Amino acid sequence: QQQVKQSPQSLIVQKGGISIINCAYENTAFDYFPWYQQFPGKGPALLIAIRPDVSEKKEGRFTISFNKSAKQFSLHIMDSQPGDSATYFCAASGNNFNKFYFGSGTKLNVKP
Amino acid sequence: KAGVTQTPRYLIKTRGQQVTLSCSPISGHRSVSWYQQTPGQGLQFLFEYFSETQRNKGNFPGRFSGRQFSNSRSEMNVSTLELGDSALYLCASSAGTPDTGELFFGEGSRLTVL
Repeated sequence: QQQVKQSPQSLIVQKGGISIINCAYENTAFDYFPWYQQFPGKGPALLIAIRPDVSEKKEGRFTISFNKSAKQFSLHIMDSQPGDSATYFCAASGNNFNKFYFGSGTKLNVKP
Repeated sequence: KAGVTQTPRYLIKTRGQQVTLSCSPISGHRSVSWYQQTPGQGLQFLFEYFSETQRNKGNFPGRFSGRQFSNSRSEMNVSTLELGDSALYLCASSAGTPDTGELFFGEGSRLTVL
């Protein structure tokens, strides 16, 4: 059973537009929700992360929205740029373990 | 500060063989995790080592094993390779304390099983 479900699988956005990627989880013990960005040939790199005590976290053009009751969280990329074209993974962990469950990834293509 | 280094970057094996992958974490990091990345499956957790002890384990068969040395370097081994083991194997290091925190990934070892 997939612990974290991510959608969409792929996304095409025009430059300057808003990219939105959604994730849902089942395990209520999860207490840390990071988003990772991966470029071809590279390992994933942490983009932004949130804990369930807040409903939103913003860092520059990247925002995480978190809905604890719905067990959903999403990544919003404002003013999307071609350089944002990459694969994005949501993840979750909990119970103070360094064991992360990743979503299946969203390939974002920002067209100039 | 040097990042996470994985070797080899690419390798080709045949079914039935075994393979050993190596990971050098960021200096000072005591936790090393391994993930398998395949198209459509995303990243799947294999195991985590902290101070030479396996602290967490994913749902992979016993053919997948690992270890960590006193200098925090880690190796993972896959025995009796199957075609389905073809994947990108990613190593990630973290400070390890507190237990949940940022993972720093290497660029991976791409294994092809023929």
